[in-house]
Amino acid sequence: QLQLQESGPGLVKPSETLSLNCTVSGGSVSSRNYYWGWIRQHPGKGLEWIGSVFYNGDTYYSPSLKSGISISVDTSKNQLSLSLNSVTAADTAVYYCTGHRGMTRPFDSWGQGTLVTVSS
Amino acid sequence: IQLTQSPSSLSASVGDRVTITCRASQGIGRDLGWYQQKPGKAPELLIYGASTLQSGVPSRFSGSGSGTDFTLTISSLQPGDFATYYCQQFNNYPLTFGQGTRLEIK
Repeated sequence: QLQLQESGPGLVKPSETLSLNCTVSGGSVSSRNYYWGWIRQHPGKGLEWIGSVFYNGDTYYSPSLKSGISISVDTSKNQLSLSLNSVTAADTAVYYCTGHRGMTRPFDSWGQGTLVTVSS
Repeated sequence: IQLTQSPSSLSASVGDRVTITCRASQGIGRDLGWYQQKPGKAPELLIYGASTLQSGVPSRFSGSGSGTDFTLTISSLQPGDFATYYCQQFNNYPLTFGQGTRLEIK
């Protein structure tokens, strides 16, 4: 069974870059059977898909967030990563890494989530 | 594609039968999933393909619908079912979620 664990700083200053990693266990980010994605949830709000990546580096980003986002996989560490540039307070959220078996498949594996606060 | 859930919140008692609806702004076939989220926890997939129960999910949960109108039904509420429920479409980009339905104990 897949297990995903997010890691990264819990506090980021405005205009800086938010960087998160997600370590995958019980599976491989090199698998052709899974896509790996990031979803965020603003405090007290709903869920927002940020983007997804396939093992070969193909990426799919939300058009509303596409500018300044980068999602990638590191096969040597069995990790996926998220980078979000020039953050503002509006990027304060819980960030979840996820796994899904295709871009037309639901998110069937989730990390526990990590809260990132953007504040000076 | 916008997904609109109704109601936004719902009060019910243990043993009740409840139904949550999700309406898509355009047809999505059966490319819809339902998730349950408890406070402080990650969402968990309950149903995909509009009506297929994810492994390990109790049979009191069921889903139906296609095209633009979908429903999640819990046949007999249990104490652990009080949570927030989200629908999600995976038919088209960007992948989108409904705004959520908060199910509370009456």
